[in-house]
Amino acid sequence: DAGITQSPRHKVTETGTPVTLRCHQTENHRYMYWYRQDPGHGLRLIHYSYGVKDTDKGEVSDGYSVSRSKTEDFLLTLESATSSQTSVYFCAISVDRDGLFTFGSGTRLTVV
Amino acid sequence: AQSVTQPDIHITVSEGASLELRCNYSYGATPYLFWYVQSPGQGLQLLLKYFSGDTLVQGIKGFEAEFKRSQSSFNLRKPSVHWSDAAEYFCAVGSIKAAGNKLTFGGGTRVLVKP
Repeated sequence: DAGITQSPRHKVTETGTPVTLRCHQTENHRYMYWYRQDPGHGLRLIHYSYGVKDTDKGEVSDGYSVSRSKTEDFLLTLESATSSQTSVYFCAISVDRDGLFTFGSGTRLTVV
Repeated sequence: AQSVTQPDIHITVSEGASLELRCNYSYGATPYLFWYVQSPGQGLQLLLKYFSGDTLVQGIKGFEAEFKRSQSSFNLRKPSVHWSDAAEYFCAVGSIKAAGNKLTFGGGTRVLVKP
């Protein structure tokens, strides 16, 4: 999607290894989000950020951490990946008073 | 807390027939409501949104949705389905807050289109 790049697009990793997913935006928006998508659950919020170094937990934050040292980058880290974290991860941005969200293309993560 | 329920996990419809996808939400104030579509292996595309005003909202690809406050519903409709409408559809409720906009999704409805 315009203005949002997720990397990598696909990753296979082993249980217990650390993994970092990157979301990069070119829009200079304040709000950034990480969601995971699983069958039957739709998209569920993991963490979000409302500014540089300002982050908060979503509904499924256990096992995940985030960092935002620059406006344009929002990193999602799985400190020790587990099979339950196999999922598709979407990054999103939102305009302050608009309420509209724009999503990245997703990262498919498989933990074996 | 805001939440969304999409009662139908799967719907099969014949090409040319009408389609209605159900969505019920829970939110304490006037909600911002959205429908997104996701084709296989793709990201999410916004179909339409309701913020205020006319309760019948027109979107892209010939879709429309009607906001009914009394029923806490925001059902999506299309009069005549095309094979390319086969996809997964997500209803979402949003809020705008100083500490961060929020968007909560339903579990999705997968639409299969029969020729």
